[in-house]
Amino acid sequence: AQKITQTQPGMFVQEKEAVTLDCTYDTSDQSYGLFWYKQPSSGEMIFLIYQGSYDEQNATEGRYSLNFQKARKSANLVISASQLGDSAMYFCAMGDGNQFYFGTGTSLTVIP
Amino acid sequence: SAVISQKPSRDICQRGTSLTIQCQVDSQVTMMFWYRQQPGQSLTLIATANQGSEATYESGFVIDKFPISRPNLTFSTLTVSNMSPEDSSIYLCSVEVEARSVGELFFGEGSRLTVL
Repeated sequence: AQKITQTQPGMFVQEKEAVTLDCTYDTSDQSYGLFWYKQPSSGEMIFLIYQGSYDEQNATEGRYSLNFQKARKSANLVISASQLGDSAMYFCAMGDGNQFYFGTGTSLTVIP
Repeated sequence: SAVISQKPSRDICQRGTSLTIQCQVDSQVTMMFWYRQQPGQSLTLIATANQGSEATYESGFVIDKFPISRPNLTFSTLTVSNMSPEDSSIYLCSVEVEARSVGELFFGEGSRLTVL
């Protein structure tokens, strides 16, 4: 069964607008972590943000925030005030202490 | 966090040759992993590099094709052997850092291999 689902293969957003990238996950574990990574065309995987399953508050890192809805098993990434440099692939991932699972990614294009 | 350096960042290789990718971490880490990302795809775990013992390979990956070394807690290599065009991928080294209740995964810059 797929552990991480990203339903948006591609997204467009106007520069300076906010955008939400969807991610749902599947696990029966109580302790797990949720991650978002950015992969520009250069290929490197850049760690953006982390949310622990026991964290009651949504994680925030600068312009990135994670909308964590535990009951719905969703961990959407919100990017505020989009910049041209945000154009990249974005991967949602989950770690359960044994393995890390990755989604198929969402390609984000920021339009000037 | 951890700073991870990978070499080479990219290479173009001939069919039948082998290439070794190096991964250097700025701190001692227990868990090091090697991933493959084929064009347009997500990441697939190749193996876990264990210090002082053989790597643990995932289904579909074998030691003869992807030999891995892990001589110490800061360094690992992955060799892609007898390459074919199907091996054209980004290969990513990663480490798990135990910072919170669940470890965090950090990546190197990736090695983009093109096999002709």
